[in-house]
Parts: sequence; structure tokens; C-alpha cells
Amino acid sequence: AQSVTQLGSHVSVSEGALVLLRCNYSSSVPPYLFWYVQYPNQGLQLLLKYTTGATLVKGINGFEAEFKKSETSFHLTKPSAHMSDAAEYFCAVSEGQAGTALIFGKGTTLSVSS
Amino acid sequence: DVKVTQSSRYLVKRTGEKVFLECVQDMDHENMFWYRQDPGLGLRLIYFSYDVKMKEKGDIPEGYSVSREKKERFSLILESASTNQTSMYLCASNPTSGSSYEQYFGPGTRLTVT
Repeated sequence: AQSVTQLGSHVSVSEGALVLLRCNYSSSVPPYLFWYVQYPNQGLQLLLKYTTGATLVKGINGFEAEFKKSETSFHLTKPSAHMSDAAEYFCAVSEGQAGTALIFGKGTTLSVSS
Repeated sequence: DVKVTQSSRYLVKRTGEKVFLECVQDMDHENMFWYRQDPGLGLRLIYFSYDVKMKEKGDIPEGYSVSREKKERFSLILESASTNQTSMYLCASNPTSGSSYEQYFGPGTRLTVT
């Protein structure tokens, strides 16, 4: 069965510092991988996704993630944090079958201090 | 842009009441999903539907039912609301065709059962 592990339920950084949110997955087939962001009292918004092709994926708001098959990881990074990045981030995986749900990690709350 | 709307942002109901949560999408997607979100647990799948009148149980269907009479609308029903169903409920949709498998989310309904 698929599963997603997000290391660290809460990450705190200073404004301007590197953001690194960790995600590891288990999947029996080549996965499709996603990062979503949720701002307070809102739904989930897609940040970026990996389907096939280039393993370094760029998303919105300056975020990027790298798919590393050998490490079964899909960590999310941003070179310089901004106060507006404070939110909850979810990593998700799909085995790519139509009509199946995503499997989500438990989420990481990012706090950014000035 | 894909739009997924949910009938209420905030809802307060009493124990034992029958509760209806409505979700509508405007992109002719075949697949629709209901998740519940609780702190520290991430998103958990309650039910999903891959076609009109079709439904599949997710990971936590107990205490819930669903209805999909029209392609664009997917309703979540709490037959007899209980306090442990106090949560954030998120609806999502995606198409069967295409290769990205990302899901599009509504803004969520925060339900409080007293």
C-alpha cells in the first residue's frame, strides 16, 4: 500500500532563510507526486507536481522539489522564505490510476519569523 | 480555471441532526472526492465517486453516506451527526482523462457538532 511520510510536523525558519520540507513515499509503481499548500481556513492549492520527465520540478511562489527515486523522496525547497509562506504544506502521492484518490502525508506547518 | 465550491464555509449542528454538505464543480470532471482534515492526521478519504450514481468507500466511511445524482454535484451526508465528526471537510475533483492526476479542491466546510 502507498504511504507518505512528512518528517517534522512543524518547521520554523527566519525570513530570508532556506525552506526545506521533507517528504518520503512508498509506492510499488512509479509514482505521481504532489505538494499542496493550505493557508488558514482555505482549501488546498497545488504548488507543484511530478509526473514524468525532469526530476527537478518548479512550482509557484518560488518553490521547487526534486524527485529522487533511489531515496524515495520528494523534498520541497525554497531558497529564501517570505512571511507569506507561512502555511501548512501537504505532500501527496498517486499511483496514476484514473479515479483513485491521492494519499496525503500528515502535513507540515511552516512558520516564518521576521 | 477549475472551480470547486462548497455550500457552506462554517456550519454548526447539534448531535443527532442529519447534515448535508454540498460540493459542486464546473469542469465536467468525472471523479469527485470527500476528505476530512484533522490536526496531525492530514487528509483522510471518506468517499469518492467516479461517475454519476457510482460511489466507493474510502478509508473512514463509517457514519457517512454520499449522493451523486448529477455529474457536477457530490453530497456528503452525516446521517446522525456526532461530536467526533467535528472537523474540516474538503471536496475535490479531477478528470479521468489526462495524465497529471492532480485534484482540485474546494475551500472547505468547517463543521462543528455540539
